[in-house]
Amino acid sequence: DSGVTQTPKHLITATGQRVTLRCSPRSGDLSVYWYQQSLDQGLQFLIQYYNGEERAKGNILERFSAQQFPDLHSELNLSSLELGDSALYFCASSARDRGLNEQFFGPGTRLTVL
Amino acid sequence: GENVEQHPSTLSVQEGDSAVIKCTYSDSASNYFPWYKQELGKRPQLIIDIRSNVGEKKDQRIAVTLNKTAKHFSLHITETQPEDSAVYFCAAARGSSNTGKLIFGQGTTLQVKP
Repeated sequence: DSGVTQTPKHLITATGQRVTLRCSPRSGDLSVYWYQQSLDQGLQFLIQYYNGEERAKGNILERFSAQQFPDLHSELNLSSLELGDSALYFCASSARDRGLNEQFFGPGTRLTVL
Repeated sequence: GENVEQHPSTLSVQEGDSAVIKCTYSDSASNYFPWYKQELGKRPQLIIDIRSNVGEKKDQRIAVTLNKTAKHFSLHITETQPEDSAVYFCAAARGSSNTGKLIFGQGTTLQVKP
């Protein structure tokens, strides 16, 4: 157990819908990262928050957004869902905002868009 | 741009043999290189990492080597066991920037035959 929690574990929804994925970082970690893992794309960085502020953006679609709350948990919002959004979504946390710091991954949320 | 190439994509070895996975990165500012092991349907788990101020790091049967000049790093697993079977990902990050986002390789599926 990495100490990072994610809910829900599984999510099945239809095209055009909107979902929210939740992540709680390890106790004391200020940075939260979101990654998408699909079969053909591997692990892709989406977005990073540090202590409530957006720190970096990767290949995140405009239909996707995220935020980090004062208690440091983070939510990833996916809207106007398409079949291609089906993937495993992982969040990871680390103590600081920069590299050289270990990132610990949560168990992931498996999103299936039908 | 930032890119990490990982080879081979699949690797099959006999129990007790050694396995080597190689990665090449493009961003010369990268200086943190973690390796993750991912079992089917589970989270990526950090197994070893190396920072650019060292050339080699070992932890029991696992070792990582780094050649900054050539911009490549490798994972070595000795005396492989069936429980080593999993997908292994290399990654790179910039320690000096204000983000610790990881750029992942495409993954190597390791199969250890008993």
